[in-house]
Parts: sequence; C-alpha cells; structure tokens
Amino acid sequence: GAVVSQHPSWVICKSGTSVKIECRSLDFQATTMFWYRQFPKQSLMLMATSNEGSKATYEQGVEKDKFLINHASLTLSTLTVTSAHPEDSSFYICSASSARAYEQYFGPGTRLTVT
Amino acid sequence: QKEVEQDPGPLSVPEGAIVSLNCTYSNSAFQYFMWYRQYSRKGPELLMYTYSSGNKEDGRFTAQVDKSSKYISLFIRDSQPSDSATYLCAMRRGDYKLSFGAGTTVTVRA
Repeated sequence: GAVVSQHPSWVICKSGTSVKIECRSLDFQATTMFWYRQFPKQSLMLMATSNEGSKATYEQGVEKDKFLINHASLTLSTLTVTSAHPEDSSFYICSASSARAYEQYFGPGTRLTVT
Repeated sequence: QKEVEQDPGPLSVPEGAIVSLNCTYSNSAFQYFMWYRQYSRKGPELLMYTYSSGNKEDGRFTAQVDKSSKYISLFIRDSQPSDSATYLCAMRRGDYKLSFGAGTTVTVRA
C-alpha cells in the first residue's frame, strides 16, 4: 500500500518553455501533497505543501508564479515549471499523506533538464 | 546552524559489516524520527519510524533515539551490497513538515 507515482520520470525541455509534472497516489486518498527539489548530493528541499481543493503554501524563497501547483483531486497533484531556465534543472520529488496519518510516502521523482 | 546535522560521508564498508549512521538535531520540539533510504535517481523509501526515545528493531535495521542528547542513530547489521544507497534522517514536530538531514552515502563492498 501507499504507492505514489510520478510522471514523467525524466524530461528535457528548452529554456523558456513550461513543463508539467504529475504526482498520483495510487491506493490511498492524499489530502496533502508535498513537492520537493533535490540537487545532486544534497538533501530534499521542501518547495510547497498543497491540500486538496486549496491553494498551495510555498516555502520562503520559492516563486509561486514560477512553480504552479494544483491539487484538484485526492489522488492527483501537478507541478508546472513555467518559463523554465537551466538553473531549474533538478530532481523533483512529490510525496503524499492521507488524513489518517502524517506520514509521507514519496514518489520516484522526476529529473528535469532544461537546455 | 542547521536544524538537522548529518555527516554526508561517504561511508564504505565490507559486506557483512555493521553500518552505523547518525544525526543530531537542535530543535527539541521534534517528536517523530524517521530514516529513509534513497537509491540513485529514485525517491526516498521509509525504512524506520520512531516516536519515543529508545530502540526499535526491524530485521537487520535498528533505530535508536536519544531525545535528551538530541541524537538518533540507524544500525544495519550484516550489510549487503544491496544496502548501498543514501540514507536520510528526517524528523518532524506534530505536523506534517519534515526536516531532513543531508544524507549519508553508503557503499557496501562485496
């Protein structure tokens, strides 16, 4: 149980374009989803927290207009990187929690490369 | 000072050895402590979850929490090459937000 998937697993895009990453909870209802980014050999950095049907809460220093988060259903959240630039290249990981427990279950991650 | 300190290693051990990992933290409000394993280019996988001070064992893995010293440890007995990964400690207060350590990269040599 508690499986979280992400799509795509990797994506390459050109500078200035937008990329959408999907995060799905496959066997439970995720009332809260989280988006992290991870640079090589570094730990996870929380970008934002989203609750189903509400606006996401962004961490300090994260541009909400650049990283658009939508949590429209209890099983799906999306992260859109708008006008991507090479410095946005990173490993993006989502996680999900149900209303019953605070534990977070992580997706496999999406590697974004902006050329 | 970071909230959670973890030596990034790398740590290399021979197969069958005991792997010892640890983290220290500064926020006494942390109540829940976790260890995650992350293989290269994959998401973190929850290994151990503890709430109170003391030991918790699960197969070859033992997690220790010492709240008085703000110190947590993970031991892996009879290590295998498949245990080669990055191990992240994480902790939280009573809400969702996790604070992660930097991760320790472990290599178990066959």
